[in-house]
Amino acid sequence: GENVEQHPSTLSVQEGDSAVIKCTYSDSASNYFPWYKQELGKRPQLIIDIRSNVGEKKDQRIAVTLNKTAKHFSLHITETQPEDSAVYFCAAPNTGTASKLTFGTGTRLQVTL
Amino acid sequence: EAGVAQSPRYKIIEKRQSVAFWCNPISGHATLYWYQQILGQGPKLLIQFQNNGVVDDSQLPKDRFSAERLKGVDSTLKIQPAKLEDSAVYLCASSPDRPQETQYFGPGTRLLVL
Repeated sequence: GENVEQHPSTLSVQEGDSAVIKCTYSDSASNYFPWYKQELGKRPQLIIDIRSNVGEKKDQRIAVTLNKTAKHFSLHITETQPEDSAVYFCAAPNTGTASKLTFGTGTRLQVTL
Repeated sequence: EAGVAQSPRYKIIEKRQSVAFWCNPISGHATLYWYQQILGQGPKLLIQFQNNGVVDDSQLPKDRFSAERLKGVDSTLKIQPAKLEDSAVYLCASSPDRPQETQYFGPGTRLLVL
């Protein structure tokens, strides 16, 4: 099955700085990589995803990069704001018939004033 | 559009008791997932339904957990008997036709087993 590792487990940045979270995966056939944001006590919500046919995708202050050769993908948040404080999860699919998602262990991002 | 609904939101039970959770996915979504999220960890898939058929339950502790999705819409997840280590948030999610579409999560049920 898929093994997803996520680093760092906690990240503290000052408002306006950039934040980068990295994930590695084991299944070379994986082709879909979503990132979810989970605020305290709330449900996970998709913030961006990337498919294996592109190397980078950007949505305003959020971007995701994918390196299929090295089997890793990263979330980049620029100009961080206090409302970016949350736990971020990466995920990658098993490529069996169910294509279920395996989630990383999460990164707690704290944006300080 | 209405989101994924779950109930109850909170449940406290004693070990060896039974408990059931309910999920109503987004209308028209074929795929339904139940996840277990232990504090400080990422969601772990317990079971995945495609319409009313199970496509993956490899991580479901079948000696105590069961789930069904009658008529391919609502779903229930049951634990009987509960153990202390079952304390977690149980998240239901749904997605449209293919598994690799965006998964929309419900608010979750927070279970505490004493």
